[in-house]
Amino acid sequence: NAGVTQTPKFQVLKTGQSMTLQCAQDMNHEYMSWYRQDPGMGLRLIHYSVGAGITDQGEVPNGYNVSRSTTEDFPLRLLSAAPSQTSVYFCASSGRVRDSGANVLTFGAGSRLTVL
Amino acid sequence: LAKTTQPISMDSYEGQEVNITCSHNNIATNDYITWYQQFPSQGPRFIIQGYKTKVTNEVASLFIPADRKSSTLSLPRVSLSDTAVYYCLVGDTWGYNKLIFGAGTRLAVHP
Repeated sequence: NAGVTQTPKFQVLKTGQSMTLQCAQDMNHEYMSWYRQDPGMGLRLIHYSVGAGITDQGEVPNGYNVSRSTTEDFPLRLLSAAPSQTSVYFCASSGRVRDSGANVLTFGAGSRLTVL
Repeated sequence: LAKTTQPISMDSYEGQEVNITCSHNNIATNDYITWYQQFPSQGPRFIIQGYKTKVTNEVASLFIPADRKSSTLSLPRVSLSDTAVYYCLVGDTWGYNKLIFGAGTRLAVHP
């Protein structure tokens, strides 16, 4: 059981380039989300999805696109990278850990992105 | 959305008990309270979750008063390895909403 897998772990881009951060989970979770974390700061929600074909914006969605064609995958696309998007990106999926209670987020290891 | 407020930082010493309080004044009826721990260069990981009263597991206890407007994470006898950032998160039973993290509490444990 791999949990949440993110690729790549590290990436360097030039301003204006585009790229896709991949996220896959094997826990059959309906809820998936992307966060960014700047140095010394907390996590900020970029986009989230409550199921295949359904996505919505989080706190800081500008400059990012997402799609959810399958339950397992939730890629994050940077359309035209800017230095302000230099950050660590975390993907998370949400499911129950016991019979009752709220869902619990399981995070990937993160993708460190530098935009020059 | 239930906004959370925590102290920015705390200091403690090995062997002491640490209590971190989180305020969530507009918590909804269906909301649970979940705490996460984050080490540098890692994603947050689940510690404990509760709805009301007290919950205890092998690593922590969670105290929630009757009005549920706050919660306290208790770490017994901390060690250096408990140095991390701790986040409380409030979300509904089904998880079908925005899960917004606050700034978290940076705990430093000293020898």
